[in-house]
Amino acid sequence: DSGVTQTPKHLITATGQRVTLRCSPRSGDLSVYWYQQSLDQGLQFLIHYYNGEERAKGNILERFSAQQFPDLHSELNLSSLELGDSALYFCASSVAPHQPQHFGDGTRLSIL
Amino acid sequence: DAKTTQPTSMDCAEGRAANLPCNHSTISGNEYVYWYRQIHSQGPQYIIHGLKNNETNEMASLIITEDRKSSTLILPHATLRDTAVYYCTHYMDSNYQLIWGAGTKLIIKP
Repeated sequence: DSGVTQTPKHLITATGQRVTLRCSPRSGDLSVYWYQQSLDQGLQFLIHYYNGEERAKGNILERFSAQQFPDLHSELNLSSLELGDSALYFCASSVAPHQPQHFGDGTRLSIL
Repeated sequence: DAKTTQPTSMDCAEGRAANLPCNHSTISGNEYVYWYRQIHSQGPQYIIHGLKNNETNEMASLIITEDRKSSTLILPHATLRDTAVYYCTHYMDSNYQLIWGAGTKLIIKP
């Protein structure tokens, strides 16, 4: 158990819809990272927050947004969903930037 | 572009040492090398990290070359449960973004 909690574990929705993925970091971790992993692909970095502020952006689509709240949990919002958005979405946390990241079990998003 | 290079796949006999190489020739002088593994579709698991010196923990050992352009992860006594995709990564300068390659699919055979 990494200590990082992601909900929901599975999400099935239709094209054009909007979903919110939630992440609770390990106790004491200030950094939260979001990744996308499509079938049999590597991890694609989406975005990094540190103590509530955005620190780095990867190839995150404009239809996607994220935020980190004062209690340090984070949400990833995906809108106008397309079939290609079907993937595993992982959240990771670390004590600070440049420290080892610890990953949650992921949310499997299926777009029908 | 910053990147890491690893073999696509490797086999190792159960009980033997598994040595996984990685090339990270673009790593900056003050950036750590991190190793993670991913079993099936589970979340990646942190294994070990290092800067210059060799490191060892309960899971593995990490050997970093003196010029820091490459490293080797060593699983001393591989078990079937070590079958996974192993990723060698480092941060891209000060961008707080880990560089993830395709990883090495390690298959431990009985």
